[in-house]
Amino acid sequence: GDSVTQMEGPVTLSEEAFLTINCTYTATGYPSLFWYVQYPGEGLQLLLKATKADDKGSNKGFEATYRKETTSFHLEKGSVQVSDSAVYFCALSEGTGRRALTFGSGTRLQVQP
Amino acid sequence: NAGVTQTPKFQVLKTGQSMTLQCAQDMNHEYMSWYRQDPGMGLRLIHYSVGAGITDQGEVPNGYNVSRSTTEDFPLRLLSAAPSQTSVYFCASRPSGAITGNEQFFGPGTRLTVL
Repeated sequence: GDSVTQMEGPVTLSEEAFLTINCTYTATGYPSLFWYVQYPGEGLQLLLKATKADDKGSNKGFEATYRKETTSFHLEKGSVQVSDSAVYFCALSEGTGRRALTFGSGTRLQVQP
Repeated sequence: NAGVTQTPKFQVLKTGQSMTLQCAQDMNHEYMSWYRQDPGMGLRLIHYSVGAGITDQGEVPNGYNVSRSTTEDFPLRLLSAAPSQTSVYFCASRPSGAITGNEQFFGPGTRLTVL
């Protein structure tokens, strides 16, 4: 079945540092890929998405490129801020009958001033 | 639009009690789903619905029932709560079709503790 593997956290960075959160996936078809963010005490919000190979999703300074050859969708940001502290989830959806999202376990990011 | 709303925000139950978690959306989305979030496990699908009157099981359906009598509402019922159901529950919805790449919209969550 489908699965998503994320790097374990927490990831602790200083403000303005470079961020990478690794995400790899296993899927039988051609999934859409997502990054969701969960701020403390809140629900999940879509951060960015990519629907086909070589697409780059971007939002709020975050980027991720759909790499079919390496089955990866790593999240990057050039300069993190304290306000980026949250839990980040990588997810995929194959658009089959169930049409559900398969999530990774989440990576907690802590940005220190 | 209010988006996806969930009530209650917090709930404490005793083992064996029953309750219903409410979920509503005002975006006229056909597809709705329930997930539970547990530490280190991401979110796992409990039940989902592709439209009024149609529901199906997800990855972890045991101990939960759902119904979908209207497009707007998708309640989740715990018939006899167990400590293993202590979790944070999220409701989500999305429009039908694949035009958005299956992006889903999430509610704020219900934190449930079963003693």
